Amino acid sequence: QVQLVQSGAEVKRPGSSVKVSCKASGVTFRTQPITWVRQAPGQGLEWMGGIIPLFGTANYAQKFQGRVTITTDDSTTTAYMELPSLTFEDTAVYYCVGEVGGPYYFDYWGQGTLVTVSS
Amino acid sequence: QSALTQPASVSGSPGQSITISCTGTSSDVGRYNYVSWYQQYPGKAPKLMIFDVTNRPSGVSSRFSGSKSGNTASLTISGLQAEDEAEYYCNSYTSANAYVFGTGTKVTVL
Repeated sequence: QVQLVQSGAEVKRPGSSVKVSCKASGVTFRTQPITWVRQAPGQGLEWMGGIIPLFGTANYAQKFQGRVTITTDDSTTTAYMELPSLTFEDTAVYYCVGEVGGPYYFDYWGQGTLVTVSS
Repeated sequence: QSALTQPASVSGSPGQSITISCTGTSSDVGRYNYVSWYQQYPGKAPKLMIFDVTNRPSGVSSRFSGSKSGNTASLTISGLQAEDEAEYYCNSYTSANAYVFGTGTKVTVL
């Protein structure tokens, strides 16, 4: 069955970076669109960007363009989301999400990774 | 890209029907039939409830239905049940080859 398993919670200092991983199984990884969504405490969902491993080029929300980097490793069927220069406003749960049943909707979600930015 | 606009809260009694609206623009909701809806319980990952405006994934109750008119999409929950109390988010594909979520709606069962 389809599974997206993310790396564990992180506590980071302001100005540092975080890299969250998402191990995919039960899918044809190279053609599987992977999206990253974040949710700040008590706030709504925010689409950050996505990638199709076969094409290798990610597209990003305007807000995160030039800041977040989404990559994949075909050999380990793992997707990554890296966010540098962290601020307190980056404290959030980060989800990796798969568009498995078809494009344009998100039917499989990882368990989420809490990133806390704290001094 | 601004978030799609949803009412902050909607409530109803058990057995009633409620409708949540999701208003976008001619560049997203109005342009594509790629609106989806998600249910989220506190502390849990969201769950897909409706995709492509009107379609229900396997396993989702038929009490949930979706529609769209112009730049506004809607989610209707019929025969409201206690278990429907959750946060609901809409999402749309956009002309910028991106996605945008709605602001979220808290559904309360009275």
